[in-house]
Amino acid sequence: GAVVSQHPSWVICKSGTSVKIECRSLDFQATTMFWYRQFPKQSLMLMATSNEGSKATYEQGVEKDKFLINHASLTLSTLTVTSAHPEDSSFYICSARDLVVTEGGNQPQHFGDGTRLSIL
Amino acid sequence: GENVEQHPSTLSVQEGDSAVIKCTYSDSASNYFPWYKQELGKRPQLIIDIRSNVGEKKDQRIAVTLNKTAKHFSLHITETQPEDSAVYFCAASFSLMYSGGGADGLTFGKGTHLIIQP
Repeated sequence: GAVVSQHPSWVICKSGTSVKIECRSLDFQATTMFWYRQFPKQSLMLMATSNEGSKATYEQGVEKDKFLINHASLTLSTLTVTSAHPEDSSFYICSARDLVVTEGGNQPQHFGDGTRLSIL
Repeated sequence: GENVEQHPSTLSVQEGDSAVIKCTYSDSASNYFPWYKQELGKRPQLIIDIRSNVGEKKDQRIAVTLNKTAKHFSLHITETQPEDSAVYFCAASFSLMYSGGGADGLTFGKGTHLIIQP
């Protein structure tokens, strides 16, 4: 259970292109999803919190007009990298927070497989 | 904001020995501390988590301890096996406990590359 599907897994495109990444919770509902970015051999950095039916909350330093987030349903959030440039090349990974609370009172985040974005 | 420090960056242990990874956090409001295992090119997988109302949690060969006063928490892996080799990340966040609110986005440590020597 608790599977998060992220698509596409790999994108190579030209500079100036906009790229949409989808994050789906397959067997659970998630009112909240998170988008992270991971550079090679580095840690995951939180970019934004995506809330179903409302505007996303962006972390300091993340341009909301460049990284558009839409969370239209309880199982789908999308991240669109607009007018992508080589410096946007990275591993983008989403997570979805399960609505179900575990025995310990936690609502763990389940991660997708990530999208490797390469901008030429 | 929260800042999580993780040590060591690389840890090599003999198969069968124990491994300990330590993290410290800066925000005393943080109350949820998960640990993730990430194999090369794959998703982070939750291996254990702990809330601030608990000092220790164990799941088979894996245990996590938390010292709220000192603001540090540690991952302990006993009887290490080759398949334990991976990068391990600690993380911290604030979570509205038992009130229907979930954890905020996670602040991760820089990761520890655990190498199990056969």
